[in-house]
Amino acid sequence: GAVVSQHPSWVICKSGTSVKIECRSLDFQATTMFWYRQFPKQSLMLMATSNEGSKATYEQGVEKDKFLINHASLTLSTLTVTSAHPEDSSFYICSARQGGETQYFGPGTRLLVL
Amino acid sequence: GENVEQHPSTLSVQEGDSAVIKCTYSDSASNYFPWYKQELGKRPQLIIDIRSNVGEKKDQRIAVTLNKTAKHFSLHITETQPEDSAVYFCAASPTGNQFYFGTGTSLTVIP
Repeated sequence: GAVVSQHPSWVICKSGTSVKIECRSLDFQATTMFWYRQFPKQSLMLMATSNEGSKATYEQGVEKDKFLINHASLTLSTLTVTSAHPEDSSFYICSARQGGETQYFGPGTRLLVL
Repeated sequence: GENVEQHPSTLSVQEGDSAVIKCTYSDSASNYFPWYKQELGKRPQLIIDIRSNVGEKKDQRIAVTLNKTAKHFSLHITETQPEDSAVYFCAASPTGNQFYFGTGTSLTVIP
């Protein structure tokens, strides 16, 4: 149980394009989903917290117009990196929580912006 | 916001020895402290967690201790095995809706 998937797992795009990453909870309803960014050999940096049906709460320093988060249902949250630039290249990983404190991570999406 | 520091950044131990990883946090409101194991190329997996009303928790070879006064918590792995080799992250949560991670410890268990 408690499986979280992410799609795509890999994406390469040209600078200036937008990329959408999906995070799905497969066997449970996620009241809260989290989006993290992880640089190589570094920690997970919380970008935003999203609750179903409401606006995401962004961490300080994270541009909400750059990283659009939509939590449309209890099993799906999307992160759209708008007008991506090479500095946005990173590993983006989501997690989902059913109601308690335990969060379950997706496998991550590696984004490379050329 | 919360600031979590983790030490050491790398740790090598002989198989069978113990490994200890320490974290400190800054926000006294933090009340939930999970530990995650991340193997290369894989997603983080929760291995143990502790809440602020408990000072110690143990699960087989893994234990976590919490000192709320000093704002630090530690992960203890006993009888280490090669498959324990991974990156370990601590985290602190002040609200339940935000999780702040430490910088990670790369643990290598030498057979």
